[in-house]
Amino acid sequence: AQRVTQPEKLLSVFKGAPVELKCNYSYSGSPELFWYVQYSRQRLQLLLRHISRESIKGFTADLNKGETSFHLKKPFAQEEDSAMYYCALRGDSNYQLIWGAGTKLIIKP
Amino acid sequence: DTEVTQTPKHLVMGMTNKKSLKCEQHMGHRAMYWYKQKAKKPPELMFVYSYEKLSINESVPSRFSPECPNSSLLNLHLHALQPEDSALYLCASSRALAGGGTQYFGPGTRLTVL
Repeated sequence: AQRVTQPEKLLSVFKGAPVELKCNYSYSGSPELFWYVQYSRQRLQLLLRHISRESIKGFTADLNKGETSFHLKKPFAQEEDSAMYYCALRGDSNYQLIWGAGTKLIIKP
Repeated sequence: DTEVTQTPKHLVMGMTNKKSLKCEQHMGHRAMYWYKQKAKKPPELMFVYSYEKLSINESVPSRFSPECPNSSLLNLHLHALQPEDSALYLCASSRALAGGGTQYFGPGTRLTVL
């Protein structure tokens, strides 16, 4: 079965501290993984795709096939990073995104 | 134009009303999607259009009726909705359906059914 697990519903860290949002997946083939972010009163937007291997807004994510993980990391959190973060997997059908439940990230001043 | 736009931003309707949500993109994308999102939950896929044809209906009740008049426009017609249908309705588009890359989302229409 295809599944995406984000174990933390809520993550709260202080400004300047490192951040890691966890994402684990279950998928039998070659996954395509994404991180989407939804800031308050803004649209859901793509943050990272694993195939692009970019760093966006200081965030990075590495696909670890051995651990079936795609954790999102940032070395120094900023207050504007406070948002809802969703990890998503593109499934066998090639169109459907399988979503994690989301992690609400709060950056404390 | 690199955005997906949606109108209206907010909609309040009674259970006997008929209304429509609109979505537009000018990125040349040939796949368009309707999602429903409840507060603090991930989006749930409702419908998928590919090349203006309905490809996927995720067992959505018939009180929701999608329409794709052309490659840039996607509508969602609403009739006899229930209060539990209140949610944020998101439109998205991607280059294509198969291997179509990233889905780009509109800002959503916040629907309240009284």
